Amino acid sequence: GQQLNQSPQSMFIQEGEDVSMNCTSSSIFNTWLWYKQEPGEGPVLLIALYKAGELTSNGRLTAQFGITRKDSFLNISASIPSDVGIYFCAGRGDVYTGANSKLTFGKGITLSVRP
Amino acid sequence: DAGVIQSPRHEVTEMGQEVTLRCKPISGHDYLFWYRQTMMRGLELLIYFNNNVPIDDSGMPEDRFSAKMPNASFSTLKIQPSEPRDSAVYFCASSSGGFYNEQFFGPGTRLTVL
Repeated sequence: GQQLNQSPQSMFIQEGEDVSMNCTSSSIFNTWLWYKQEPGEGPVLLIALYKAGELTSNGRLTAQFGITRKDSFLNISASIPSDVGIYFCAGRGDVYTGANSKLTFGKGITLSVRP
Repeated sequence: DAGVIQSPRHEVTEMGQEVTLRCKPISGHDYLFWYRQTMMRGLELLIYFNNNVPIDDSGMPEDRFSAKMPNASFSTLKIQPSEPRDSAVYFCASSSGGFYNEQFFGPGTRLTVL
């Protein structure tokens, strides 16, 4: 099946630093989503992207839908301790093609922020 | 407003036992999804319902897994018999107004099969 690649598995940054994460796929997606999961909780949607090239912000978070439609990027600026968690990307193919319409998730990147 | 509610939060059982996971979606949501999360495979969709009807169960790993949604406010995921490889975190999510709308996840049930 389709796979989304996120690497590295873990990232360690200092409070106040910016951090970038990317997500790549061998398949084209028409929707990219970024989620954050905190310990003991389910994923929470951070940003949704629906158009190639789209750049969307949510507070200190900015995400971009890659032009090739095979990748997406998430940037967190001026990190704070509560940014700690697992960040997942998810993609969805053609909404009119049933086989691809389910979300495919990456395995996530665990972010640690040192005070 | 209450979010998606799942119970139990943790379940430890022995191989061969029946396990039932429960989910209460957000009131008014017409889609319900069951996911499984493991280190090896990440987050995978098992099955989803629309208006209490199972639409796609192609992600259910084996016949040992079954899911029901007897009404709009309750769903179960059952594993019988359970095996150690079923150990994972199982999430329920719900959405409103369309399959492609935002899914709201519950806190998950961490299942350990010994």
